[in-house]
Parts: sequence; structure tokens; C-alpha cells
Amino acid sequence: TQLLEQSPQFLSIQEGENLTVYCNSSSVFSSLQWYRQEPGEGPVLLVTVVTGGEVKKLKRLTFQFGDARKDSSLHITAAQPGDTGLYLCAGLMDSSYKLIFGSGTRLLVRP
Amino acid sequence: EAGVVQSPRYKIIEKKQPVAFWCNPISGHNTLYWYLQNLGQGPELLIRYENEEAVDDSQLPKDRFSAERLKGVDSTLKIQPAELGDSAVYLCASSGADRLGHNEQFFGPGTRLTVL
Repeated sequence: TQLLEQSPQFLSIQEGENLTVYCNSSSVFSSLQWYRQEPGEGPVLLVTVVTGGEVKKLKRLTFQFGDARKDSSLHITAAQPGDTGLYLCAGLMDSSYKLIFGSGTRLLVRP
Repeated sequence: EAGVVQSPRYKIIEKKQPVAFWCNPISGHNTLYWYLQNLGQGPELLIRYENEEAVDDSQLPKDRFSAERLKGVDSTLKIQPAELGDSAVYLCASSGADRLGHNEQFFGPGTRLTVL
């Protein structure tokens, strides 16, 4: 059983559309990270959220950490082909260094 | 600044053969991680080093996998003998506390292993 469930698994949208990716767990995390991974490359950190209810924005990307620190969402406004990739959430549990990764959401933005 | 370097980038071997992966972390990073990433999945930690000490190898299948980081810098991950199910991407990451005390992990490009 995956500790962190991501949905949807796959998403194919047209350029200019908005989308939201979800990361859910029954466990509480001290922090949660979002990564983007492109084919043939390792994951690259986009953001870390630490406080319950925290919202962070990175240009057209908005990240939110749930109030109970069990879930998170990533919203992309006006998606562009350059946003195509695998989006991974990863949680850090209290008193642990170990990152627990979700299974990822594969996003394709069609021009 | 150079990122995490891994080699080879791709490796194709027959089952039962040995294989080794090499990782050079970012200069000054004391913590080094090896992850396994299966197709369509997120990375899973295999082993973590603090300098030359393996502080967590609980997820490393020790019957066939081994790793070392002799001088606390470069690291190698070995599989002997390889099985079909070992086909995956092997990622290396490193981290070092920044001025805020955060330990962001920086990933290498990975080695894609195919076992035939």
C-alpha cells in the first residue's frame, strides 16, 4: 500500500488549461515536497511546505499543504508544454530524515 | 557548481551478471542516498550514508545488493547477481545543510538498468 497516493496518475490537457494534482495520505507529515522529473533526469525540487494550511506560489504553480498536514495539492494555471513531466510529492515524517515519495502524476500538455 | 554525477547512464546486462553504478555527490555534501525507481513509480530509498557510514540500509536487499562510500565522497552500488526484476532506474542524491539548516536533496540523472 502506497503511503502517499497521488491523483490523477495521468493527465493530458491542452495548452492554456488549468489543472490540479492531489497528494493524499492518512499519515501526518512534518513537511511535504513537490518535485518535477523529466525523462532521463532525476527529480528536481519545486517547493517545500511545512505549516498546515500553507500556500506557496511559484509563477503559475500554487502549492497548498492541508491543515492537518496529511495532504497537499498542486494547481497549475494556464499550463504550457514546458510543464510536461512527472510530478512527485514526497513527505517527511516527524523525527525522520526519510522522504516517502508518492507514485507520481504524469502530465502532458499538448500545444 | 556541478550537480550529482552518475555513471553509466544506461546499462544492459543479462540476468545473473554483476553490475555496478557510480555516484559523485555535490562537493561538500555529507549525506548520500541511493534510490530505486521503478517505471511509473516514485523513488524508494535503498541506503543512506552520512559521510562514510551507512546509517540506514534497512531497505537494501543484502543478499544481492551492496554499497560502499569508502572515503565519504564517491559511492558505488553493486548488484550481484542481477535478476530480471532489478530492471529500474537507480538514482543517487546528496544533501548538505544550507544556511537555514534545510537538507534539500539533489538528485543525479540516474542509471537506467535493463536486465535481459
